Order: sequence, then structure tokens, then C-alpha cells
Amino acid sequence: ETGVTQTPRHLVMGMTNKKSLKCEQHLGHNAMYWYKQSAKKPLELMFVYSLEERVENNSVPSRFSPECPNSSHLFLHLHTLQPEDSALYLCASSEAGTGNTIYFGEGSWLTVV
Amino acid sequence: RKEVEQDPGPFNVPEGATVAFNCTYSNSASQSFFWYRQDCRKEPKLLMSVYSSGNEDGRFTAQLNRASQYISLLIRDSKLSDSATYLCVVNMIGISGGYNKLIFGAGTRLAVHP
Repeated sequence: ETGVTQTPRHLVMGMTNKKSLKCEQHLGHNAMYWYKQSAKKPLELMFVYSLEERVENNSVPSRFSPECPNSSHLFLHLHTLQPEDSALYLCASSEAGTGNTIYFGEGSWLTVV
Repeated sequence: RKEVEQDPGPFNVPEGATVAFNCTYSNSASQSFFWYRQDCRKEPKLLMSVYSSGNEDGRFTAQLNRASQYISLLIRDSKLSDSATYLCVVNMIGISGGYNKLIFGAGTRLAVHP
């Protein structure tokens, strides 16, 4: 059982919808990450929160809006997405600081229609 | 140029074979290095870290050559259960420091057959 839990596991949404992806980690970590994995492309880092502060926004369009209310929870708010945003969205966590192992959740499969 | 480059494969090998994957990275400031394994429609999982001195974990051996910016993974005595995509990963220190910034290769697919 993974220490990083993501919900929903699968989501289909229209381009005008607003939805959110949720991530919760039970590992006592204080850094959390959102990654995007599109078909046949490498994982792309989207956002990093360290000690509840956003420390990296990797040129992600504003239709993706992250929220980190505490060190255990991370959200990705979605609105007016495009079909090309369909992908696997992976949440991860680690201890803050460098060189620490990152653990991934099982991911949320998003389809935009 | 991609930050982390890997041969996408697939590598189709029989059980018991030895197979090697290679990876190159472009940023000499990369701090640490890993191999992750990703099964079909699953999340990536850490397979092993990679050290300059080379390291071994059972049937798996990883090597790092910082001068050539080259990482390798050797799998001996392949098992059917080794079938997966192997991701080469480099860790950059975040811009403001204090956090990991993992950069992933696109992965090399391995298929082990009976």
C-alpha cells in the first residue's frame, strides 16, 4: 500500500468543467510535488511545495492551480482544460532538502473531452 | 537537446539473459542519480540510486560516469517479472535550494519472454 494516496484515480471532464485532484501523504514528509505524464513523454515536473511554500512552478498554464493547505495534503485545481491536458497526473512526496527519496502516488488518470 | 536521454527500446530478451541500459544527461550540475521502474499504468518506483563508485543490488548493477555524463543499468539473469519501463532520473537542486527537482528520461522498455 502506497504512503501517497491520490483521488480520484480516474476522471473524465469536459473543457468547461472545474474539478480538483487530491493527494494525501502519510509518510510524515514536508515536500510535495505534482508531475504530469503524457503518452510516450517523460514525466514533467509541474509544481513543488516545500514546507508548505510553493518553490517551483515549471511554466505551467494557469488553468492548473495547485494548493497545499498543510504538509500532508496537496490539490490540483483544474478549469477550462484542453484535450491535450489528458494525461496521468502523479503526486509525490519526500523529506524537504535534497537527496531524499521521492515516493509517488498511484496517479490520477485524467481525460478531457 | 533533452535533459535526460534514453533508448526507448523495446528490449526483447529471453529469461536468464543479461541486458544493459544506458542514459546520458546534459546538465553537469546534476547532483544525484537514480533508476526508477514503472510498470504499465502504474506509478514509478525507485529501483536504486546510482553512485560514482558503482553499486549493486542483487541482479542489478548501476554505474555513473560523471565525466561522460553517462549512467548505466545492468540486469543479470532476467526474470519475467523484470518486464517494465526503466526510467533514468537525475536530481537537480531546486532554484532556491532545499528541495529535489527530479528530471526523468522517457524510459527504456524491457520485455522478458520465456
